[in-house]
Order: sequence, then structure tokens, then C-alpha cells
Amino acid sequence: DAGITQSPRHKVTETGTPVTLRCHQTENHRYMYWYRQDPGHGLRLIHYSYGVKDTDKGEVSDGYSVSRSKTEDFLLTLESATSSQTSVYFCAISGYTDSSESEAFFGQGTRLTVV
Amino acid sequence: AQTVTQSQPEMSVQEAETVTLSCTYDTSESDYYLFWYKQPPSRQMILVIRQEAYKQQNATENRFSVNFQKAAKSFSLKISDSQLGDAAMYFCACPRANSKLTFGKGITLSVRP
Repeated sequence: DAGITQSPRHKVTETGTPVTLRCHQTENHRYMYWYRQDPGHGLRLIHYSYGVKDTDKGEVSDGYSVSRSKTEDFLLTLESATSSQTSVYFCAISGYTDSSESEAFFGQGTRLTVV
Repeated sequence: AQTVTQSQPEMSVQEAETVTLSCTYDTSESDYYLFWYKQPPSRQMILVIRQEAYKQQNATENRFSVNFQKAAKSFSLKISDSQLGDAAMYFCACPRANSKLTFGKGITLSVRP
């Protein structure tokens, strides 16, 4: 299995509080992604990173920010959590090159509940 | 923009029969890859099969094969001799430039014993 770990695995938080999810990889892959998975919507890209300190928005980035200060860690922050951000969040990594042929490897997912 | 469309939200197949899951995509790139991922109830995402767009031959991995129609931008997954363990959600995916990976909404496959 690819060395990718998400923490925490489960979290319940209150509306309006900040939340940070962590993705850690030991594969030295260049690209890292955060997705959210909701019934009827599949996997939707929130943000992604193509290198240290290089990040870009995905299709559902409002209310989320990310940081990548070193290759192995990619943090997703909900500045002020809302109930609409209740979801399962997946981190993924891919590509030790620029090629699009590399498959993505996924973390185990984090179930976040905002009450 | 790049989109991946899986129009069938659910499918069902009898054990030992064959089922085909559909996927269409849209890309402006001339060379690209396509992937099918499986997500069982454990939530773990597992790569099932990949297809290189510049290759004419359809990819095959044991009981899993694809029907890749480049001109039609269609990328279907065929599962032969379906097993109970094949019950899962299946996602079609197409990377963009810089490996930005876009997924379809997924198909839930159930297998009847």
C-alpha cells in the first residue's frame, strides 16, 4: 500500500469552529489532492498541490484553504465549519513526474460531522 | 473544462454474469490516461484498470476489461463472471494537465447471489 495517512479519521465539530485535516505521505509524490465525497456527487476536488507551496483551487474550494510547507504534508483547513461541510474527505497523491499516467493513491478518508 | 460523466447511478448484476459500466468524458488533450477505481464499503479507493489513450488495444486485467472508443470519448468497464466481492461503487477518472484528476459521480454496483 502507498504510504499515505490521513488524520483524524473521524471528527465531530461545532458550527463556526476551525478544523484542520492532515494528509501525510511517505512516497515523495509531487501531487497531492483533497476531495470530498457526498452521496450523488461522487468525488469533488477541493484543492490540489503540484509542489511545495504550490497549490490551486478545485471545483468546490469555497470555505476551504490548504497549505503545503513540505513535500510530505498537505493540510486542509475549514476556517469556520458549516453543516454543509459535513462529508467524507479524501486525500490522494500521484505523480513523481509531470506525466498524467500516474495513478492516484488514496488515504483512508476522514468522516467530518459539523453539528 | 474537462468533465467525466457516469449517467447510471446504480446497476445490478447476477453473480457469474457480465455487466458493463458506462463512462463518457471530455478532454481537450491529445494524449491522456483513463482510470476506473473501485470503492467497496470499506471506503478504500482501489485502482481497477487504466487505459492509455494513444493505444488502440483495450486494457484487460483478469475479469475486468474496458471498451475504449476514443472518437466517441467513451470508456466503459466490463466485469465478467461477476462475484459478490465486486459489489462496490465504481468511479471513472480522467487526469488533466498537471495530473489534476477529475472523477465521475460513480456507479453503485450490486451483485445478486
